[in-house]
Amino acid sequence: GENVEQHPSTLSVQEGDSAVIKCTYSDSASNYFPWYKQELGKRPQLIIDIRSNVGEKKDQRIAVTLNKTAKHFSLHITETQPEDSAVYFCAAYTGKLIFGQGTTLQVKP
Amino acid sequence: EAQVTQNPRYLITVTGKKLTVTCSQNMNHEYMSWYRQDPGLGLRQIYYSMNVEVTDKGDVPEGYKVSRKEKRNFPLILESPSPNQTSLYFCASSLTVDTGELFFGEGSRLTVL
Repeated sequence: GENVEQHPSTLSVQEGDSAVIKCTYSDSASNYFPWYKQELGKRPQLIIDIRSNVGEKKDQRIAVTLNKTAKHFSLHITETQPEDSAVYFCAAYTGKLIFGQGTTLQVKP
Repeated sequence: EAQVTQNPRYLITVTGKKLTVTCSQNMNHEYMSWYRQDPGLGLRQIYYSMNVEVTDKGDVPEGYKVSRKEKRNFPLILESPSPNQTSLYFCASSLTVDTGELFFGEGSRLTVL
C-alpha cells in the first residue's frame, strides 16, 4: 500500500527566513497531494493542495511543488512569521488519503 | 455554520469499559473517516465510510468499530478499551473521498487507565 515519508520531523527557522518540508510517496498512482496545518490544540486544516497534472502551485507565501518522476513533493513557506509555527502534515491520495508523520515548524521572532 | 462535531472532547475511562465517540457533520458529505493522532506517528486512519451503510477498515482498525446508519453521523465505538488506545481522535468528512478538503472535528482526547 501507499507509504508517505515526511522530513524533517522538526524545523526551526528565524522569522523572515524560508522553510521547506519534503515528502516522498511510494505509489506512483497517487494523484492528489494536500498539505494540512495544525496549530497547537487545534484541528488540522487544509492550507494548499496539488494534483498530479500540475508541477507547482502558489498561494501567497506558500507553495507546493511536485516531482512525479521522483515521487516527492514539497511545501515551501517564504517570509515566515511566528503564526506559521504549527505542525504540518503532507498526504497522498490513492484510493484513500495517507498522511505523513508531521513536521513541527517553529518560527523564532 | 458548516462543521464536524465530536463528543466528548475529553474522556478518561478504565480498561474494558465500552465507550462511544460521536461524530456528526452538517455539510451533507458522503465521505467520513476516523483518525488517531499519536506523537511521531502522524494521523493514522482507523475506519472510513464512503456513504451510508458502507464502511471499511483503515490502517489501524483493531479494537474499534464504526457504523454509518445516517449520512450525517459516524460514531466510533471502543468495545473494550485498552491503554494503547489512549490517543487524540479526529473525525473528518469531505464531499467525496477524492474531491479535496477534509474537514476535521475538534478532536477527542481519550485516556484509558
